[in-house]
Amino acid sequence: AQSVSQHNHHVILSEAASLELGCNYSYGGTVNLFWYVQYPGQHLQLLLKYFSGDPLVKGIKGFEAEFIKSKFSFNLRKPSVQWSDTAEYFCAVIVNTNAGKSTFGDGTTLTVKP
Amino acid sequence: EAGVAQSPRYKIIEKRQSVAFWCNPISGHATLYWYQQILGQGPKLLIQFQNNGVVDDSQLPKDRFSAERLKGVDSTLKIQPAKLEDSAVYLCASGRWGVDTQYFGPGTRLTVL
Repeated sequence: AQSVSQHNHHVILSEAASLELGCNYSYGGTVNLFWYVQYPGQHLQLLLKYFSGDPLVKGIKGFEAEFIKSKFSFNLRKPSVQWSDTAEYFCAVIVNTNAGKSTFGDGTTLTVKP
Repeated sequence: EAGVAQSPRYKIIEKRQSVAFWCNPISGHATLYWYQQILGQGPKLLIQFQNNGVVDDSQLPKDRFSAERLKGVDSTLKIQPAKLEDSAVYLCASGRWGVDTQYFGPGTRLTVL
């Protein structure tokens, strides 16, 4: 069974600092990879996704993530965070079969101090 | 397009009572998911439907939880009887197909006393 590990449970940064959130998964086959974000009081929503091709993917609001197959990792980055990036971030994996089984990490709470 | 609708938004019940949650996915989405999210944890998949068939229910506690997807559209998730450890947010999500983006509803926060 696949699993997803997010190493940082809570990250606190000042505005303009750079961000990197770790995500590692365990599954030997082909997967689709996602980062979802939940802003305070809002639904979970897609930040970015990787299916195939260029391992560096760009998402909304200046976020990007890099898929490193050899490390089973899909880390999220942003060069300069803003106060409005305060949210909970979830990494998710879907096994790339007909229907796909979805697994989420436990999330990282990001607090950005103004 | 309208988003995923869920009701109720909040529910408080006593242990051993039963409860039901309703989800209306985005129109045309074939895949529907129910997740349980306990405070401090990520969403845990309970059941996944593709149209009106069950694709995965390996983590559904079948002795007390049941779910159905009516005519491949709306879905209900039922807990009977509830336990204290069922206190959580129950999320419904839908997607065009099983390996693509999931669109989440607002969730139902269940408190079992």
